[in-house]
Amino acid sequence: QIQLVESGGGVVQPGRSLTLSCAASGFTFSKYGMHWVRQAPGKGLEWLGVIAHDGSVKIYADSVKGRFTFSRDNSKNTLDLQMNTLGAEDAAVYYCAKEPREYSSGWYWENWGQGTLVTVSS
Amino acid sequence: EIVLTQSPGILSLSPGERATLSCRASQSVRSNYLAWYQQKLGQAPRLLIYGASNRATGIPDRFSGSGSGTDFTLTISRLEPEDFAVYYCQRYGGSPITFGQGTRLEIK
Repeated sequence: QIQLVESGGGVVQPGRSLTLSCAASGFTFSKYGMHWVRQAPGKGLEWLGVIAHDGSVKIYADSVKGRFTFSRDNSKNTLDLQMNTLGAEDAAVYYCAKEPREYSSGWYWENWGQGTLVTVSS
Repeated sequence: EIVLTQSPGILSLSPGERATLSCRASQSVRSNYLAWYQQKLGQAPRLLIYGASNRATGIPDRFSGSGSGTDFTLTISRLEPEDFAVYYCQRYGGSPITFGQGTRLEIK
């Protein structure tokens, strides 16, 4: 069955960087766009952006543009989120989510990972 | 950016009752690209409805979605104990993808 497993979360100091990963299985990863979504503690959901199935297109939310970078390795079925210059506002659970249709990049999400928690603290 | 406003913020009902949750968009949602998710504490969101009215795989038929343009509704016909959770609407099909702030459905 389809599985998405995030990793890499933890405690990071303000201003530092962190890279999260999402390991995918149970589907042909190279055919699906992938999204990142986060949720601050006790808050709602925030879309961070999407990377196309082949990595050729990346769209970022304004809140993270210029600080966060999406990448993927279709040979390893992994998705990465590099986060730079982290601040208190970036503390959240980070989820990866899979597009429902092959070769699409802007739809709803039936499959989510379990999330990984990022805490920003000195 | 299309802003989604959900109401009420908190809905207190009893099992067996009918729940009606609202999601209003600041602009018309193209092609009814509106989804609903359920989220329980400590879990990832679960897709309930897409395309405003289509139930996702495995979603019980007590969940239904309706609406078009700027006004959308999620209805739970008869609440089961497991339905008490937070519900989010989402507008997709263009950037940025946006969410409503959520409605908390709590047991009365």
